[in-house]
Amino acid sequence: EVVLTQSPATLSLSPGERATLSCRASQSVVSYLAWYQQKPGQAPRLLIYDTSNRATGIPARFSGSGSGTDFTLTISSLEPEDFAVYYCQQRYSWPPITFGQGTRLEIK
Amino acid sequence: QVQLVESGGGVVQPGGSLRLSCAASGFTFNTFVLYWVRQAPGKGLEWVAYIKSDGSGTFYTDSVKGRFTISRDNSRSTLYLQMNSLRAEDTALYYCTKSVYQGGDGAFDLWGRGTMVTVS
Repeated sequence: EVVLTQSPATLSLSPGERATLSCRASQSVVSYLAWYQQKPGQAPRLLIYDTSNRATGIPARFSGSGSGTDFTLTISSLEPEDFAVYYCQQRYSWPPITFGQGTRLEIK
Repeated sequence: QVQLVESGGGVVQPGGSLRLSCAASGFTFNTFVLYWVRQAPGKGLEWVAYIKSDGSGTFYTDSVKGRFTISRDNSRSTLYLQMNSLRAEDTALYYCTKSVYQGGDGAFDLWGRGTMVTVS
């Protein structure tokens, strides 16, 4: 099973700042990594798929990069609505499809 | 409107059964693989099951193998999850989702609002 480790667990930033979230895989997942955003009481929303492809309707301030075992989600300039929990997910070596434990992005 | 709507959750005793449904609309249901994902209260996301677009292939996470069965009725645009021998650790909000890619597996680009299953 591929274990995804996200860091940091919590990230405290202010609107307008740049956010960098990390996801490290226990083995290579090539480029089959996705990022989701989840707000309280809502279903997750797909942001980025296959490392760097923005999902439909996702603003350009969200970008993904990486390959193999190390991946990054970058939010170039935080908007108030971006404060949420973010999960990474791999679908290269499955079953099982696995998720990271999440990074909570909170307002500083 | 493109959407997935889950139903069928509830409170059940350990060892009991439930059947979840997920009604789809707004897209060509029979061309997409589908998944169930769950989230225990206050916890992260856990993939549960997968089914091919024509229903010919399924996969499960180890903890539900032999107890849960995923199926679909493409004529009704509906996905199902039959859950037997339920345990306390199955308590979660269950989401149905679809692949971002038509015809194959992919990231989960459409989610329902979820249906809550409580085993107690």
